Amino acid sequence: SQTIHQWPATLVQPVGSPLSLECTVEGTSNPNLYWYRQAAGRGLQLLFYSVGIGQISSEVPQNLSASRPQDRQFILSSKKLLLSDSGFYLCAWTRKQYNEQFFGPGTRLTVL
Amino acid sequence: GENVEQHPSTLSVQEGDSAVIKCTYSDSASNYFPWYKQELGKGPQLIIDIRSNVGEKKDQRIAVTLNKTAKHFSLHITETQPEDSAVYFCASYTGRRALTFGSGTRLQVQP
Repeated sequence: SQTIHQWPATLVQPVGSPLSLECTVEGTSNPNLYWYRQAAGRGLQLLFYSVGIGQISSEVPQNLSASRPQDRQFILSSKKLLLSDSGFYLCAWTRKQYNEQFFGPGTRLTVL
Repeated sequence: GENVEQHPSTLSVQEGDSAVIKCTYSDSASNYFPWYKQELGKGPQLIIDIRSNVGEKKDQRIAVTLNKTAKHFSLHITETQPEDSAVYFCASYTGRRALTFGSGTRLQVQP
């Protein structure tokens, strides 16, 4: 069976500090991978998606970036966090040719 | 691009009653419509989905209906229980890019 992991689960960072969130998927190969952000009590905002290693599509211009160094690893980064970067970050995956999308447990980021 | 509108934003029902959440989409090319349940502090969980070649799908107490002509689809929960309390999201997919999500419905089931 497939499993998706995210870490850390929670993170408190000062404004201006760097960020690295990691997502890995087990039990499948060559998945499509996605990063979403969810502000408190709000909907899901697509940030990035990737169809393969090194292939990243950005949906919203901002100070965040994403990378996919390995087939089942997706990383969300920032060089300098802003207060507005606070939120719940969710990673998700789908198998190619299948529509079902599965979410990870999320990372709660608080920028102070 | 695709736009999905979801109503209501909040819904309160008595335990045992039914709950209905409705979504409309804009792109006639959309062919896949999933529903997610998100409990507090957790990632959304896929609970049911429907494809454009089907009008209705049922799984125990939950069902989804799709009206392609009107471009709307609905989630029906019967015999609601307190553990059904959560935020529910609808979404649509055109085969391009990624899912487009509705804004969510907070369902509260009163015991």
